[in-house]
Amino acid sequence: RKEVEQDPGPFNVPEGATVAFNCTYSNSASQSFFWYRQDCRKEPKLLMSVYSSGNEDGRFTAQLNRASQYISLLIRDSKLSDSATYLCVVNPLPAGNNRKLIWGLGTSLGVNP
Amino acid sequence: DAGVTQSPTHLIKTRGQQVTLRCSPKSGHDTVSWYQQALGQGPQFIFQYYEEEERQRGNFPDRFSGHQFPNYSSELNVNALWLGDSALYLCASRLRGGQETQYFGPGTRLLVL
Repeated sequence: RKEVEQDPGPFNVPEGATVAFNCTYSNSASQSFFWYRQDCRKEPKLLMSVYSSGNEDGRFTAQLNRASQYISLLIRDSKLSDSATYLCVVNPLPAGNNRKLIWGLGTSLGVNP
Repeated sequence: DAGVTQSPTHLIKTRGQQVTLRCSPKSGHDTVSWYQQALGQGPQFIFQYYEEEERQRGNFPDRFSGHQFPNYSSELNVNALWLGDSALYLCASRLRGGQETQYFGPGTRLLVL
């Protein structure tokens, strides 16, 4: 089993749709989790950090289920500008020590007019 | 406030050559990490520098080496280039004080022919 696995993409949805991505991780001792977005040929940019059970930021909601070892990202009211690759990142070390961040392969989202 | 900067933006080399990539972290950041991102893959951790020392290393051969300068800027050196070294090389810096969030530079796209 890979250390971090994400939904296979691509996801193609119409504007205004709600879309959810899942990410599973194998190390039950993992401490913190992140979602990054990466536009084509650009660097990754932090979208959300996920601590405790999850958090919400506008149209984006991230949830953490430690028992089942997965993190989800929900995007409501999709915009064309949400089209990107979404990368799940897991930190198996204590918070503040991110020398061993583990990155998923990413899920590609395309939002269509 | 300038973000993380990297140079050059693009580079073409031939097999066997050597390359040096450069990174300047955000102001106030003292920890620099380097990642390799092949096409269609997530970033792979190469190594991290703090206080001018390599603190942690990923699964990369000794052909990959680095350096951090007193002003916190960093270099990544790759010797004896292989075709498989073609990738986007990302530098990420972290805020002094152990904050977990990393900020990425735009990357250097290296093509080895």
